[in-house]
Amino acid sequence: GDSVTQMEGPVTLSEEAFLTINCTYTATGYPSLFWYVQYPGEGLQLLLKATKADDKGSNKGFEATYRKETTSFHLEKGSVQVSDSAVYFCALSASNDYKLSFGAGTTVTVRA
Amino acid sequence: EPEVTQTPSHQVTQMGQEVILRCVPISNHLYFYWYRQILGQKVEFLVSFYNNEISEKSEIFDDQFSVERPDGSNFTLKIRSTKLEDSAMYFCASSFRGNEQYFGPGTRLTVT
Repeated sequence: GDSVTQMEGPVTLSEEAFLTINCTYTATGYPSLFWYVQYPGEGLQLLLKATKADDKGSNKGFEATYRKETTSFHLEKGSVQVSDSAVYFCALSASNDYKLSFGAGTTVTVRA
Repeated sequence: EPEVTQTPSHQVTQMGQEVILRCVPISNHLYFYWYRQILGQKVEFLVSFYNNEISEKSEIFDDQFSVERPDGSNFTLKIRSTKLEDSAMYFCASSFRGNEQYFGPGTRLTVT
């Protein structure tokens, strides 16, 4: 079945460091790919998405590119802030389906 | 900005009791979902609902679970006879077309 694999956390960074969270997926067809973020004490928020190969999703300084050849959707941010401390989830929905399959989540802590 | 709301934020119940978790999706959305996240585990899909019927359900969503949209605004998840292993955070989500889902803040269910 469809699945998502994320890099293990936790990740601890200093402010202004570069952040990468790796995400790879297994799916048939052409899934849509998402990154969700969960800030402490809050629900899941859609951060960005990409619906076809080579699409780049971006929001709040975060970017991810849908790479079909490597089945990846890595999340990047060039200069993180303390306010980016959260749990980040990679997710997919299959081309013929709407339910989301999530990765395990990566906890990111940014220190001042 | 419209948002999905959920009540209660925390529910404590005894094993064997019935619980109803409530959600108010975004008003013009047509697709509704429930997910759960057991502490330390992945977010898991439970059920999707469209056009007043279940469109898909996971293996977790057995006969103890039911969903309902009793009026034009609420979307509920009922667990008939709770078990210890039902303790989790339950997230409601909604979407307009099915692809971009917006999540509520979650209800933490504790079964004792």
